[in-house]
Amino acid sequence: DAGVIQSPRHEVTEMGQEVTLRCKPISGHNSLFWYRQTMMRGLELLIYFNNNVPIDDSGMPEDRFSAKMPNASFSTLKIQPSEPRDSAVYFCASSVQGAGSLAKNIQYFGAGTRLSVL
Amino acid sequence: DAKTTQPNSMESNEEEPVHLPCNHSTISGTDYIHWYRQLPSQGPEYVIHGLTSNVNNRMASLAIAEDRKSSTLILHRATLRDAAVYYCILRGVNTNDMRFGAGTRLTVKP
Repeated sequence: DAGVIQSPRHEVTEMGQEVTLRCKPISGHNSLFWYRQTMMRGLELLIYFNNNVPIDDSGMPEDRFSAKMPNASFSTLKIQPSEPRDSAVYFCASSVQGAGSLAKNIQYFGAGTRLSVL
Repeated sequence: DAKTTQPNSMESNEEEPVHLPCNHSTISGTDYIHWYRQLPSQGPEYVIHGLTSNVNNRMASLAIAEDRKSSTLILHRATLRDAAVYYCILRGVNTNDMRFGAGTRLTVKP
């Protein structure tokens, strides 16, 4: 299994440009999570999906951020327009939401996308 | 998720045991205790989890206090590759998300 695949690994862009981050979850996983990590704020949950449906987007910083999951094997996180304070490492994770105890569900993380907005 | 408290950093010598503490005094009866770690320049990875009883796996052991208000992650023989930030997280039985704290940065000295 290739694990969770994120692209690109690094993105450098200028303020005001649109940025799209991509994630391919592990095949068979039905939950997908987007996190952002900065030195100041640590690892923050932005949004998560169950069965392609957004469940909790309370962590999305503002309207400039949007996330979609058009099918079970692909998700995008878009920032439009981007700002320097969006510079961070963005992680995608996936898990299986089982019929039993949800607390057992293990999240598998991708390698992250390091975003720099100049 | 209920809040957890961990030391900011710890040091260990290579091949010695490491005990990483976590306090969670407001844990509810249905909260599971999860541990993840994040190696440098990588995403977090699962280490172990438990509810009430101590747990062992190939990576580590988890010792849970009888009152469940604290737990300890035990690495039996630390290696240089175990240098990472270790996160202790409480997950409710009906939640599918995790809230990471600051974690403990473990340094392993040769």
